[in-house]
Amino acid sequence: QQKVQQSPESLIVPEGGMASLNCTFSDRNSQYFWWYRQHSGEGPKALMSIFSNGDKKEGRFTAHLNKASLYVSLHIKDSQPSDSALYFCAVMPNYNVLYFGSGTKLTVEP
Amino acid sequence: GPKVLQIPSHQIIDMGQMVTLNCDPVSNHLYFYWYKQILGQQMEFLVNFYNGKVMEKSKLFKDQFSVERPDGSYFTLKIQPTALEDSAVYFCASSSGLGGRDYAEQFFGPGTRLTVL
Repeated sequence: QQKVQQSPESLIVPEGGMASLNCTFSDRNSQYFWWYRQHSGEGPKALMSIFSNGDKKEGRFTAHLNKASLYVSLHIKDSQPSDSALYFCAVMPNYNVLYFGSGTKLTVEP
Repeated sequence: GPKVLQIPSHQIIDMGQMVTLNCDPVSNHLYFYWYKQILGQQMEFLVNFYNGKVMEKSKLFKDQFSVERPDGSYFTLKIQPTALEDSAVYFCASSSGLGGRDYAEQFFGPGTRLTVL
């Protein structure tokens, strides 16, 4: 069974700062990786996906994947108070099922 | 963006009763999912559904659970009978495709909080 672990559990960054979220997974055959964001009272919403080793940048968000090290990360540049939310790493080892981490609660302080 | 709706938002029932959770997926999506999240824990996959059939289910998808989508209406999760350990938030999701492409993105509803007394 795929194990997905996230760190830190919670993170506080100042407005304009950089937030770095980490995720490790256990299945070396995993192919597809997603970051989801969940605001209070809502369902998770996909932020970005990454399928190849290296970096993928979308605006202020950069995901990094290293399959050999079983590691994926998300970096948020110029953090805004609206980025405050619960962030989930999700691993899709096959074509259907998402395995979620336990989440990182990000708070961006004005 | 595309929205998945879930009805009701909160359901309280007595142990042993039947409950049906309803999901209105994104209109042109073909693949449907249920996930379960116990308070303070990770969201866990229950089941996925395509073309009228269950494709894959986890060990959490007990015999008391069933899913269906009659005539393209709501995608439902039925639990009969319910147990105390079924108390959780249940999230429905849908996607237009599969695999490692962005069209496989799963869109989630806001969840139904089920409390079994």
